[in-house]
Amino acid sequence: DAGITQSPRHKVTETGTPVTLRCHQTENHRYMYWYRQDPGHGLRLIHYSYGVKDTDKGEVSDGYSVSRSKTEDFLLTLESATSSQTSVYFCAIGGGLAGQETQYFGPGTRLLVL
Amino acid sequence: GNSVTQMEGPVTLSEEAFLTINCTYTATGYPSLFWYVQYPGEGLQLLLKATKADDKGSNKGFEATYRKETTSFHLEKGSVQVSDSAVYFCALSDRGTSYGKLTFGQGTILTVHP
Repeated sequence: DAGITQSPRHKVTETGTPVTLRCHQTENHRYMYWYRQDPGHGLRLIHYSYGVKDTDKGEVSDGYSVSRSKTEDFLLTLESATSSQTSVYFCAIGGGLAGQETQYFGPGTRLLVL
Repeated sequence: GNSVTQMEGPVTLSEEAFLTINCTYTATGYPSLFWYVQYPGEGLQLLLKATKADDKGSNKGFEATYRKETTSFHLEKGSVQVSDSAVYFCALSDRGTSYGKLTFGQGTILTVHP
């Protein structure tokens, strides 16, 4: 298994509070991604990174920010959590520039915003 | 833009039945195609992939053929087992400067009964 961990694995928070989710990899991979999974939508890309300090927006980036200060860590921040951000969040590594490489997924973080 | 459409689920089968899950796609470029599987409570893992037209991906008895003329990548298995019960996602990654970003279908829940 690819060495990807996510923390926390479960979190309950209140509307309006900031939340940070952490993805940590031990594979030294350049590309990292954050997706959210919601029923009927599959997984949708929030943000991605193609190197340290190099990040860009995905399909559903509103209300989220990311940071990557070192290769192994990719942080996702919900600046002011809303109930619509209740979801399961997955981090992934791999992919590559041409998109032919497999992406490996972490175990997920289940977030509930009350 | 890119999109992936999977057959509506859930799909319920008896053990040893034949499985087909349809997947069609729309892509602006020349994509790589993937099937991922998610077992209960876990992250996604790659089931199989194909990176060019007429390629067949296969793994664990599952197969899918990249059909450019019909923009399809249908998943098949000749004889399903109870252990195949999971959610299956079709996905694509466009070439060029896509940075490996995946576009997912909505997922198909498969339940196999003994």
